[in-house]
Amino acid sequence: AQRVTQPEKLLSVFKGAPVELKCNYSYSGSPELFWYVQYSRQRLQLLLRHISRESIKGFTADLNKGETSFHLKKPFAQEEDSAMYYCALQGGGADGLTFGKGTHLIIQP
Amino acid sequence: GAGVSQTPSNKVTEKGKYVELRCDPISGHTALYWYRQSLGQGPEFLIYFQGTGAADDSGLPNDRFFAVRPEGSVSTLKIQRTERGDSAVYLCASSLISVGQGARELFFGEGSRLTVL
Repeated sequence: AQRVTQPEKLLSVFKGAPVELKCNYSYSGSPELFWYVQYSRQRLQLLLRHISRESIKGFTADLNKGETSFHLKKPFAQEEDSAMYYCALQGGGADGLTFGKGTHLIIQP
Repeated sequence: GAGVSQTPSNKVTEKGKYVELRCDPISGHTALYWYRQSLGQGPEFLIYFQGTGAADDSGLPNDRFFAVRPEGSVSTLKIQRTERGDSAVYLCASSLISVGQGARELFFGEGSRLTVL
């Protein structure tokens, strides 16, 4: 069975401080991992995916297969980063994503 | 429209009633997904359609839940004999399946909030 764990329900940091949102997964095969974000009053949307190895809005995430982690990082938080962040895993084939419970990130001014 | 559209946005019903929730995906997207999100939880997979057929319905909690996509576009999620525990936001998402591209992006609707009294 596949599982995604986001240990922090809530994370509050000050503007300009570094941010790290933790994500650990459990999957027997080679997973595809994503971070989705939901800003206030907006729909859930893709932030980034590990296969693209890209940086979006200053966020990066590295897949660490040894630690089965896919933590989301940003060196300097901005107020507009406040949102719900969900880590998600896609197993083999065409199955749907398995989501973590989410972390509510609050950036204080 | 440009995005995934879901109706109704809010539905309040009484225990035991029948409910239908509709999803209109992005034009041209062959894959359609239904998720359920309860308070304080992440989205939980229910069912996935590839075209008209349900490719994976392993997430449907029981036989009171059923979904169709008769023409490969609009989908309807049907819930019979609703229970209070069915109260949640039901999310629909669509994606463009590209063979060989691996990880695909899901585009979500705004959800239908179901409240069972």
